[in-house]
Parts: sequence; structure tokens; C-alpha cells
Amino acid sequence: NAGVMQNPRHLVRRRGQEARLRCSPMKGHSHVYWYRQLPEEGLKFMVYLQKENIIDESGMPKERFSAEFPKEGPSILRIQQVVRGDSAAYFCASSPSGAGSNQPQHFGDGTRLSIL
Amino acid sequence: GDSVTQMEGPVTLSEEAFLTINCTYTATGYPSLFWYVQYPGEGLQLLLKATKADDKGSNKGFEATYRKETTSFHLEKGSVQVSDSAVYFCALSERSKLTFGKGITLSVRP
Repeated sequence: NAGVMQNPRHLVRRRGQEARLRCSPMKGHSHVYWYRQLPEEGLKFMVYLQKENIIDESGMPKERFSAEFPKEGPSILRIQQVVRGDSAAYFCASSPSGAGSNQPQHFGDGTRLSIL
Repeated sequence: GDSVTQMEGPVTLSEEAFLTINCTYTATGYPSLFWYVQYPGEGLQLLLKATKADDKGSNKGFEATYRKETTSFHLEKGSVQVSDSAVYFCALSERSKLTFGKGITLSVRP
């Protein structure tokens, strides 16, 4: 019973390159959430998606960041023209369809993005 | 907006000591409350949860009670083990997204 799968686990990019982070939710989960964890900080919400829809992107930076969750395949968090400040751990979580506020989210092991 | 405040860390305890980690929250509605634990190099694992006032969440010897009157959800364990060493995050959920505290690192000495 696979959990939330994120890849890659570690990603190194140079300034100005693009970073693509992938997340496959748990089986039967159709709600996906992305969070960012800066060093010595808690996780900050970025975006909440259902299949083919962005539900809440209030935590996403207005520029360079985008997310999708297509009908087929994993959810993708895309960061264009990366800068040093994008270095962080990015976590994906999923929850069952029809999740309300009391449904726990299940987290992946994260992608650690380093910008040179 | 919603916020979660955790006590400052890190915390270092000897094995079998009593643990309390304070957590208070601010929310406009009636959130669900959670404690997550993060082991080195891993993602967050749900430790326990409570969905309404006076609910007590418990798991692996850890407990926390949803106190609406004090807007708190303090984590306790009567006797910690070395294997409990990790980072602990308090969180609340309203309208599906989670709001986290900064986390606190717990180190347990043998």
C-alpha cells in the first residue's frame, strides 16, 4: 500500500534553470497539497489541487511558480528561473476525495531543492 | 488569519522523563488540530488529531486535548524514549489546508 511518492528526493539546479517536482498521491486520493519548508521553519502551504483543478493557490508566489494535477499522471510543481531563495524542502500531501477539514493529510518524504 | 504558536526549542530530555510541548492557535472558525512528527530526512507523519473541543487525541503514548477555552493543544507523554527524538509540529486545518507551527526539536538522551 504505497504512500505519497515524491521524486526526485534531491534536486540541484543552477540559478536561472527550471525545477520540476513530482508527486503521486496515495491510491484513492484525489486531493493534493504542496508545502514548502525553509530551514528552521515550519511548513508553509502553497497550493491545493484536485484532478485538473486548482482549488486554492493562496500560498503560491505570484511569479515563476506553477502547479498542475492532470487527469492522468502525477502532480507537478514547477519553478521557473530558480533563485537561491528557492532552496528548500518541498513536501506533497494527499487526502481522500471529499476531504473536509478533519481528514488528515498524508505526506511524502519531500524533495530537497538546492540552488547553486 | 489562522496561526499556530509553538514553544521555543530545542528540548533535550533524559529517557523516561515527562514531556510537554506547548501549542496555542488562532483561528476564525472551528479548526481540527493535529500533531505531526518528522524524523530526519523524512516527511511528516500524523501523530494524533482532535476534531472538536474537549476531544483527546492519543497515539504511541502521546496525548493532546483540544482546549477551546485556552485555544491550546499541548502534547504530552509520560515517559519518553530515545526513539522519540524528532521534530514535532502542531497544526490546524480549516478549509482543508494545514497551518503549521515552526516545529520543535526533541532530543532524548539514553
